[in-house]
This record gives sequence, C-alpha cells and structure tokens, in this order.
Amino acid sequence: AQSVSQHNHHVILSEAASLELGCNYSYGGTVNLFWYVQYPGQHLQLLLKYFSGDPLVKGIKGFEAEFIKSKFSFNLRKPSVQWSDTAEYFCAVGPQGGYQKVTFGTGTKLQVIP
Amino acid sequence: EAQVTQNPRYLITVTGKKLTVTCSQNMNHEYMSWYRQDPGLGLRQIYYSMNVEVTDKGDVPEGYKVSRKEKRNFPLILESPSPNQTSLYFCASSLGTGENTEAFFGQGTRLTVV
Repeated sequence: AQSVSQHNHHVILSEAASLELGCNYSYGGTVNLFWYVQYPGQHLQLLLKYFSGDPLVKGIKGFEAEFIKSKFSFNLRKPSVQWSDTAEYFCAVGPQGGYQKVTFGTGTKLQVIP
Repeated sequence: EAQVTQNPRYLITVTGKKLTVTCSQNMNHEYMSWYRQDPGLGLRQIYYSMNVEVTDKGDVPEGYKVSRKEKRNFPLILESPSPNQTSLYFCASSLGTGENTEAFFGQGTRLTVV
C-alpha cells in the first residue's frame, strides 16, 4: 500500500521568506503526485501535479515542486510567500493507470505573518 | 460551471439517527470518493467508486455505506451515527485515468454527532 509523509506539521514564516515543504512517499510503482491547498474554511484545490516528464513542476500562484525519484520526494517550494498563502497544504500520491486510489498526507499548516 | 456539490454543508444530529450526505458532480467523472478530515490525521478515504454500481472500501469504511446508482451522484450514508464520526467530510471526483487523476472537491460537510 502507498503512504505519504509530510514532515512539517506547522510552519510559520514572515512575508517574503522562502518556503519549502517536505513530502516523501512510498510506493513500488509509477506514481502521480499532487499538492493541494486548503484555504481557511474552504475545500481542497489543486496547486500542481506531476504525471511524467520534467520533474520540476510549476503550479498556480508561483508554487513549484520537484520530483526526485531516487529520494521518493516531491517537495513544494515558493521563493517568496505572501500573507494570502496562509493555508493548509496536502501532498498526495496515486498510482498511475486506471481508477486508482489517491492517498493524502496529514497536511502542513502554513502561517504567513505580515 | 464544473463543480462537486455536497449537501448539507453543516449537520448536527443525535447518536443512532440515520443520515445521508449527498454528493453530485456535473463533470461526467467516473471516479468518485468520500474522505473525512480530522485534525492531525489529514484526509482519509472512506469509500470510492470507479463507476456506476462499482464501489470499494477505502481506509476507514466502518460505519459508512455508499451507493452509486447514477454516474453523477455518490451519497454517503451513516446508518447509525456515533460521536466518533464527528468530522469534516469531503466528496471528490476525477476522470480517474492517465494524467487526469486530480481530484475536484466539494465544499465539505461538517457533521457533529451528539
């Protein structure tokens, strides 16, 4: 069975600081990888996804993530955070092919201080 | 507008009183699923469905039932709710194949069982 581990449960940053959120997964086959964001009181929305090809994936709102296959990692980055990035971020993994189950990490709460 | 619609958004009920949370999507997605979100535990999958009349258990199916009689609808049924089912519930749908496996989430249903 696949699993996802997010190392940071709660991160506090000042505006303009750089962000990196860790995500590691375990699965023996080829995967799709996702980062979702949940703004306070809202549902989850897709930030970015990796399916194949370039391991550096760019998403919405200036976020990017790098898939490092050898490390089973898919860390999320943003060079300069804004107060509006305050949210909870979820990494998710799903096997490629067919209708497959997606597993979510436990989430990282990001608080950006103005 | 493409969307996943859940009802109700908020529900307070008493132990043992059967309830149904509805979920409907207008994107012709074949894959639908239910998650519960609890602090520190992230999203855990309850049930998923790969197509009409095809459902399977997720990670935490105990105490829940689902049905998929139509492609667009995937209701979650709690036959005899208990306080440990107090949670935030999300329905999600996706095309489910190849690159198109990202999930589209409903707005969530906050359930309190007293």
